Amino acid sequence: DVVLTQSPLSLPVTLGQPASISCRSSHSLVYSDGDTYLSWFQQRPGESPRRLINKVSDRESGVPDRFSGSGSGTDFTLKISRVEAEDVGVYYCMQGTHWPPYTFGQGTKLEIK
Amino acid sequence: QVQLVESGGGVVQPGRSLRLSCVASGFSFSTYGMHWVRQAPGKGLEWVALILNDGNNKWYADSVKGRFTISRDNSKNTLYLQMNSLRAEDTAVYYCAKRDLTTEFDFWGQGTLVTVSS
Repeated sequence: DVVLTQSPLSLPVTLGQPASISCRSSHSLVYSDGDTYLSWFQQRPGESPRRLINKVSDRESGVPDRFSGSGSGTDFTLKISRVEAEDVGVYYCMQGTHWPPYTFGQGTKLEIK
Repeated sequence: QVQLVESGGGVVQPGRSLRLSCVASGFSFSTYGMHWVRQAPGKGLEWVALILNDGNNKWYADSVKGRFTISRDNSKNTLYLQMNSLRAEDTAVYYCAKRDLTTEFDFWGQGTLVTVSS
């Protein structure tokens, strides 16, 4: 199974400052069709997960442009350019290249400093 | 708009069974695959099962294989998860999530809590 390792697991950030979360995969996530099926999800306290980004860098409709995804192969990053209060929650990366099983990272808890 | 509404959770004794449902609306249910994903209290996300749109192709996590069965009724826009031989470690919030044409988990339900305890 593909293992996704996120860092850091806890991320205290000052409002208005940038934040960055790393997701490293045990295997390359490039699929045979050339796409890379790495997604990022946000789970605010008490809510269901919500997909923010799919295929490394495609932002979902309605997701603020302060969120961006990048990376390739085995190393991926979610960046928030300026953290706002509504960004508090847990962020997960997920791979859909080598399935089953679909696997998620452990989660990174973002809080306001 | 897409809506997924789970139900059927509750408290159940170890070894017993439970069936979860997920009613979908706002999209053509019969066109898309559907997943179940669970989250144990205070823990991360764990994929449970996937069923393709026609109901004939299914995949399971090793942790539930042989005990859980995913199914769907496209005439009722409903996804199911039959859970047998439940264990304490199956305690979790269970989410249904929609599969897009080429990507996964684009929409999620609100979840239903299953507690396995004597």
